[in-house]
Amino acid sequence: AQSVAQPEDQVNVAEGNPLTVKCTYSVSGNPYLFWYVQYPNRGLQFLLKYITGDNLVKGSYGFEAEFNKSQTSFHLKKPSALVSDSALYFCAVRDPLNTGTASKLTFGTGTRLQVTL
Amino acid sequence: KAGVTQTPRYLIKTRGQQVTLSCSPISGHRSVSWYQQTPGQGLQFLFEYFSETQRNKGNFPGRFSGRQFSNSRSEMNVSTLELGDSALYLCASSPGTSGWGGTDTQYFGPGTRLTVL
Repeated sequence: AQSVAQPEDQVNVAEGNPLTVKCTYSVSGNPYLFWYVQYPNRGLQFLLKYITGDNLVKGSYGFEAEFNKSQTSFHLKKPSALVSDSALYFCAVRDPLNTGTASKLTFGTGTRLQVTL
Repeated sequence: KAGVTQTPRYLIKTRGQQVTLSCSPISGHRSVSWYQQTPGQGLQFLFEYFSETQRNKGNFPGRFSGRQFSNSRSEMNVSTLELGDSALYLCASSPGTSGWGGTDTQYFGPGTRLTVL
């Protein structure tokens, strides 16, 4: 079964500093990985995804993520955090080999990012 | 393009009642998925519809059902509501062009917040 772990409930960072939100996954084969952000009382907004190819994926709003197969990780990063980045971030995975429920996204528990001045 | 729309945005029901939630996908998208979001269980997959057929189903009781119409709009129904059904219900649409949908990005609506009293 596919699964995702986000080990940190909350990440605190000062504005202007780099940020990292961690994600590790477990799937049978090569994963398809996604990051979403959720602002209060809103749905999820897509940030970026890794399907294949370059391990460094660039996404919306200056975010990027690095796929590391040996560590089964897909950490979200941003070189310089903004107060407006404060939100709830979700990592999600699909397992291409799990054809029974292949299109289903499995989400992590979410990490709350707090960026302060 | 307009995004995913969900109606109503807020709903208050009492135990034992039933409820129907509606989702209009992005124009041209053929796949609609539904998720339940609660503080305790996080984001959980309910089901996915593609071309009016249920393609995947999560681990929810039969009280949760859905359907998709020929214009790709989808509804989900919850019968005999329980207090534990209080949640944010999110609908997501995706193009449905990549076979089983593995590489597709799901785009989420703002959600319907259901409160069961």
